[in-house]
Formats: sequence, structure tokens, C-alpha cells
Amino acid sequence: QKEVEQNSGPLSVPEGAIASLNCTYSDRGSQSFFWYRQYSGKSPELIMFIYSNGDKEDGRFTAQLNKASQYVSLLIRDSQPSDSATYLCAFNFGNEKLTFGTGTRLTIIP
Amino acid sequence: SQTIHQWPATLVQPVGSPLSLECTVEGTSNPNLYWYRQAAGRGLQLLFYSVGIGQISSEVPQNLSASRPQDRQFILSSKKLLLSDSGFYLCAWSSLGGRETQYFGPGTRLLVL
Repeated sequence: QKEVEQNSGPLSVPEGAIASLNCTYSDRGSQSFFWYRQYSGKSPELIMFIYSNGDKEDGRFTAQLNKASQYVSLLIRDSQPSDSATYLCAFNFGNEKLTFGTGTRLTIIP
Repeated sequence: SQTIHQWPATLVQPVGSPLSLECTVEGTSNPNLYWYRQAAGRGLQLLFYSVGIGQISSEVPQNLSASRPQDRQFILSSKKLLLSDSGFYLCAWSSLGGRETQYFGPGTRLLVL
């Protein structure tokens, strides 16, 4: 069974600091990796996707993928109160579906 | 650009009543379509997905069903709602065989009383 492990939090980070979110996955055949943000009462929205080992940067967000260790991370630099949300990681295991983690609730403290 | 619509936005239904939720996508052809449910404070549970008209794959046995009567229309139904059917229902679409990003609609919040 393909599994995704994600710390549910809550994770509290001071404003301006770096928030670090992590996910591990069980299937070495995983091909694509996604980070979504979900504000309370809203639907998930894509932040980033990453396919290759290493880092991918987009503004204040950096996704890090390590296929050998089977984990993917999301770093948020210069955290803002508007970053307070639940962050979902998702993986594609080579079929038509994504498998989602349960989400990490992040709170940025002003 | 692509747009995904869901309606209604909120719904309050008595136990035992029927359900019909609709999802439509604009600006793309032959999308993969997905129905998820998210219980309060929980993760996303995939209910159904479809790779084409009339093609439905069910992930979790339950009293819900799905249909895809048109390429960009996906419907979630139930003949008799249960209390446990309450939740946030999300429709999503993806392209390229479903291995790429999924984009979510605004969701329908269902409360069964």
C-alpha cells in the first residue's frame, strides 16, 4: 500500500522566519510531487510541483526532493501571517491518481 | 484559461434524502475528473475518478455514485444520504493522463442532519 506521512502539526513559526514542512512517502516509483495550500474553509490550491531531485525555487517557496531518502520538503522564507494555512503534500505513483498527505497546519505568529 | 465550477456551494439535507452535486470544467478537453471528500479537520479522501465519458472508477465502497455524462461534466449522487456523508466535497481536474497537477474547484459544503 502506497503511503504518505505528514506531520499534522500544528507548526508555529514567527513572522519573518523560515517555515519547514516535510513529507515522506513509501513508494520509490513515485514520479511527481506536489505541494498544495488550503486556507480554512477553502479548496486546496497548488503552490509548487517538483519532479527531479534537488531544489526548486519559486519566490519565497522552495521545494526540495530527495528520492533516495523518499522525502519532499517545502521551505517558506520570510514567513507572513498570510502563509497561515494547512499545507498538503501529494504524490503520483505512476497512475491517474494523486495520493495526498493529511496536511500540516501552519500558523505564522506576528 | 481553465476554470472549474461546482454547485451548490453549500447544502443542508435531511438523512435519507437524495443528493446531486455537479462539477463542470471550462477551457480544456478530455480532462481527468475527480471527486474528493474532506471531513472536518481531516485529509482528502478520493471517492471517484474518471478518465473519459462514462468511465468511472470507484475508490471507496459507499452509498455514493458518480457519473460523467459529458466530457467536462462530473456528477456525484446519492439515493439516500447518511449522517456520515457530511463533509466538504471537492471536484478536481487534471490533464496529461492524470499524472500532472490536479486543480480543485471551490467545493460544496454538505451538512446532513
